[in-house]
Amino acid sequence: QKEVEQNSGPLSVPEGAIASLNCTYSDRGSQSFFWYRQYSGKSPELIMSIYSNGDKEDGRFTAQLNKASQYVSLLIRDSQPSDSATYLCAVDVNNAGNMLTFGGGTRLMVKP
Amino acid sequence: DTEVTQTPKHLVMGMTNKKSLKCEQHMGHRAMYWYKQKAKKPPELMFVYSYEKLSINESVPSRFSPECPNSSLLNLHLHALQPEDSALYLCASSQVGSPLHFGNGTRLTVT
Repeated sequence: QKEVEQNSGPLSVPEGAIASLNCTYSDRGSQSFFWYRQYSGKSPELIMSIYSNGDKEDGRFTAQLNKASQYVSLLIRDSQPSDSATYLCAVDVNNAGNMLTFGGGTRLMVKP
Repeated sequence: DTEVTQTPKHLVMGMTNKKSLKCEQHMGHRAMYWYKQKAKKPPELMFVYSYEKLSINESVPSRFSPECPNSSLLNLHLHALQPEDSALYLCASSQVGSPLHFGNGTRLTVT
């Protein structure tokens, strides 16, 4: 069973702080990793994708990948109340780009 | 707004009903997906169509029947569902090998 694990939270941070979300995965051969944001009652929205070790930055978001340690993280700088949502880590477990396994999600709460 | 359109947004059906969920995308994506999401759980993959052919079926009960009439459309036919099938059903599309883009989902209630 290929697994993706996240801390369910809630993770509570004050407005303006850095939120750090973590994800570990079991299949060492996985190559593609994604972060989705899901507001309550809505569908998942792609935030970041990352395929190589290291950091990838997009605006206030930075994804970090360490394949040796089998973890991927998402940093949100200058957190805003509108960032309050569930963040889903997803791993492409068969590396064909068509079979995502999702972690259980981390609920983030940004307090004004 | 999403470029993957799902209809209806909400559906209530009895256990003896037959209904269909519809999904449409016009982004030229050649892979389309059905996911099921229960409350406070992550999405679970049901089916994958790649170039209009069913490529993955995650051991889904036969009361769920997918159909891909063309590269832009994906249907999910429902028959004899159980109350535990009540969930948010998500359609997604992608270029093969690229990230998935989800529709807004159909919230299904089986009574």
